[in-house]
Amino acid sequence: GAGVSQTPSNKVTEKGKYVELRCDPISGHTALYWYRQSLGQGPEFLIYFQGTGAADDSGLPNDRFFAVRPEGSVSTLKIQRTERGDSAVYLCASSPHGGGPTEAFFGQGTRLTVV
Amino acid sequence: RKEVEQDPGPFNVPEGATVAFNCTYSNSASQSFFWYRQDCRKEPKLLMSVYSSGNEDGRFTAQLNRASQYISLLIRDSKLSDSATYLCAVNLNTGKLIFGQGTTLQVKP
Repeated sequence: GAGVSQTPSNKVTEKGKYVELRCDPISGHTALYWYRQSLGQGPEFLIYFQGTGAADDSGLPNDRFFAVRPEGSVSTLKIQRTERGDSAVYLCASSPHGGGPTEAFFGQGTRLTVV
Repeated sequence: RKEVEQDPGPFNVPEGATVAFNCTYSNSASQSFFWYRQDCRKEPKLLMSVYSSGNEDGRFTAQLNRASQYISLLIRDSKLSDSATYLCAVNLNTGKLIFGQGTTLQVKP
């Protein structure tokens, strides 16, 4: 498939554990976004990559959250010492380039449940 | 103040009705604007981009008012299948793409 792929689709973890969420963007897309969505809310911006670098990480809620995109393609969102409040759907989106009129395409998300 | 604000609704309308949603944004440097549709437990999908001159796609019309910093979406002749959450999105000149809370539309028979 040529769309944005996120794995796993569901993740249940215990409070205090470490999790990694993976995003495979559309090939050739230089911009990659991570969002978090809770029930009844819109996607909450976390971080935006342009190529390998984080162009804007102002949405990361605290230092337990970190994201990388080492080769400018696949990205991993890492959450340390998970808390129950981290439970949400984590959405990844990619765009041919950031800052322009082109749309962002979303993956189906990873539903994270912290118990 | 949130960067992008929408009335969450829900908007409950009968089939065939015309319904309009507004979305306000706070950053005057915002560069491009979009309406996304999100079905329950699915990812957002682009409905339409919003151009300065306004644009229409079938029953859907989008407008941008830069002076008042809002965008609007008008749906004519509502169908049952239009029931969804409509998200507005604003792309800042830095490339950051911000979404509103979403407006829920329920079209009733």
